[in-house]
Amino acid sequence: GDSVTQMEGPVTLSEEAFLTINCTYTATGYPSLFWYVQYPGEGLQLLLKATKADDKGSNKGFEATYRKETTSFHLEKGSVQVSDSAVYFCALSNYGNNRLAFGKGNQVVVIP
Amino acid sequence: EAGVVQSPRYKIIEKKQPVAFWCNPISGHNTLYWYLQNLGQGPELLIRYENEEAVDDSQLPKDRFSAERLKGVDSTLKIQPAELGDSAVYLCASSTGQGAAKNIQYFGAGTRLSVL
Repeated sequence: GDSVTQMEGPVTLSEEAFLTINCTYTATGYPSLFWYVQYPGEGLQLLLKATKADDKGSNKGFEATYRKETTSFHLEKGSVQVSDSAVYFCALSNYGNNRLAFGKGNQVVVIP
Repeated sequence: EAGVVQSPRYKIIEKKQPVAFWCNPISGHNTLYWYLQNLGQGPELLIRYENEEAVDDSQLPKDRFSAERLKGVDSTLKIQPAELGDSAVYLCASSTGQGAAKNIQYFGAGTRLSVL
């Protein structure tokens, strides 16, 4: 079945550092890919998405490019802020079934 | 515009007791989802509704879990009886179910259940 794999473990970094969170997927066909963010005490919020190969999703300084050849959708931000501290989830949806398959999530902690 | 509203935010019960969670989706969203999120894991789909019809409930443990969306708007998820392993966060989400935004799901803050 469809699945998403995120890199293991929390990510701790200093303010203004570069952030990368790896995400790879396994799916039949041509899924849509998403990054969701969960701030403490809040629900998941859509951060960005890409619906076809080579699409780049971007929002709030975050970017991710849909790479079909490597089945990846890595999240990047050039200069993180303390307010970016949250849990980040990579997810996919195969068009037609509306079921989101999530990765395990990565806790990001940004230290001032 | 109001987002997805869930209640209660927290619930503590003893095992073997019943419990119910309520969800009010974004106005006009035809599709409603219930997800289970265990600690340190991503959400997993329990059930999906298109209007009042449950179209994907293959992951719902039907021996103790039930859900309804009688008028195609609000939904209730019930567990009876609850077990220790049911301790988790229960998330509700909704989407338009149509067009280009079909796959974009909007989540509520969740209900954190603790079974003692």
